[in-house]
Amino acid sequence: DADVTQTPRNRITKTGKRIMLECSQTKGHDRMYWYRQDPGLGLRLIYYSFDVKDINKGEISDGYSVSRQAQAKFSLSLESAIPNQTALYFCATSDISGTNTGELFFGEGSRLTVL
Amino acid sequence: AQSVAQPEDQVNVAEGNPLTVKCTYSVSGNPYLFWYVQYPNRGLQFLLKYITGDNLVKGSYGFEAEFNKSQTSFHLKKPSALVSDSALYFCAVRVHMYSSASKIIFGSGTRLSIRP
Repeated sequence: DADVTQTPRNRITKTGKRIMLECSQTKGHDRMYWYRQDPGLGLRLIYYSFDVKDINKGEISDGYSVSRQAQAKFSLSLESAIPNQTALYFCATSDISGTNTGELFFGEGSRLTVL
Repeated sequence: AQSVAQPEDQVNVAEGNPLTVKCTYSVSGNPYLFWYVQYPNRGLQFLLKYITGDNLVKGSYGFEAEFNKSQTSFHLKKPSALVSDSALYFCAVRVHMYSSASKIIFGSGTRLSIRP
């Protein structure tokens, strides 16, 4: 089983619909992230959470919200999806403790298409 | 502003030849630098990192990267390319924010294509 699991892997929806992307991890990491990938733009940070009570906006948080339900779960919501939110979304985790230096561990991605 | 740049959208190399994928960065303080690889329809995988010490770091799949502080670069290299190295490569830098908080920012990616 994957250490970082994202569901759904693919989703097609219509403008105005509410969408939730879910992420769960078995790595025991405190830190979790949501990134968005667009061709030619690399990965851009949407939201990040350093623990269950610490949630922060990234560089492109408008139109998105998140919920950290537990250490292992971090979900991303699009309250009213629009076409320019069509992208590949990645959840990632990291751990900065001891000898760990914060490299990220990624899920397989959730491809979202908004029509 | 703190940033990381990958000046080449695509790099084409013949199998067996050496390859270089370029990365430059702009951060305050000592940088933590990373390379990740993304194969089609997959998430990103960690390749290697530079934290401190030897400027040449070795990573997975025979890749290595050279840290150059004066040129603020962290180029990815491999002595002999394989067709299976064809993928999208991302350079990233860890940015310190406050206390123990930090985040990782990514370059725009370089597509590496190895021809047989």
